[in-house]
Amino acid sequence: GEDVEQSLFLSVREGDSSVINCTYTDSSSTYLYWYKQEPGAGLQLLTYIFSNMDMKQDQRLTVLLNKKDKHLSLRIADTQTGDSAIYFCAESGGKLIFGQGTELSVKP
Amino acid sequence: ETGVTQTPRHLVMGMTNKKSLKCEQHLGHNAMYWYKQSAKKPLELMFVYNFKEQTENNSVPSRFSPECPNSSHLFLHLHTLQPEDSALYLCASSQEYSSGGYTGELFFGEGSRLTVL
Repeated sequence: GEDVEQSLFLSVREGDSSVINCTYTDSSSTYLYWYKQEPGAGLQLLTYIFSNMDMKQDQRLTVLLNKKDKHLSLRIADTQTGDSAIYFCAESGGKLIFGQGTELSVKP
Repeated sequence: ETGVTQTPRHLVMGMTNKKSLKCEQHLGHNAMYWYKQSAKKPLELMFVYNFKEQTENNSVPSRFSPECPNSSHLFLHLHTLQPEDSALYLCASSQEYSSGGYTGELFFGEGSRLTVL
């Protein structure tokens, strides 16, 4: 079945760039998403990319999509302590399938 | 009012209890979802309702029973749960559900933290 994999933890220093990676298995995915979950809160959509795009940029966020390798990444430039959260990758070919989430820890 | 509201935020129950989780959305959406969030596991889709009709049941055990009386309200009735059912249960809504394409942004509630003793 469909599967979305992410590493569980990432730790960076404030001001550095963060790169969160995700791999997925469903080649028919039409949209791929990044959601953010802050402590004690539900998930909130950060950004999404259509499957015919390679890159999408939105202020400090850059999404890269490699369809051949089924690899999606989220780069956060100038990472701030407020970016500390769990980041979920999700793909929708059929059902919307989420990964395990990557916990980003930003150290001052 | 916030978009998607879940109650209670925390629930502790014994294995023989019967309880319910409630979700309400004020966004005018037509699709509502239940997800289970366990530590270090992918977010698990449990149920989807689209225009009050159940469109997805992701092989969820019958001890979880959903109810969607209208497009704004969603319940998850719980009975005879197991300790491994302890998790954060998230409700979400979207404009509508499309199993084969773009569902649109999901709006999540803050979740109900369930502990089964």
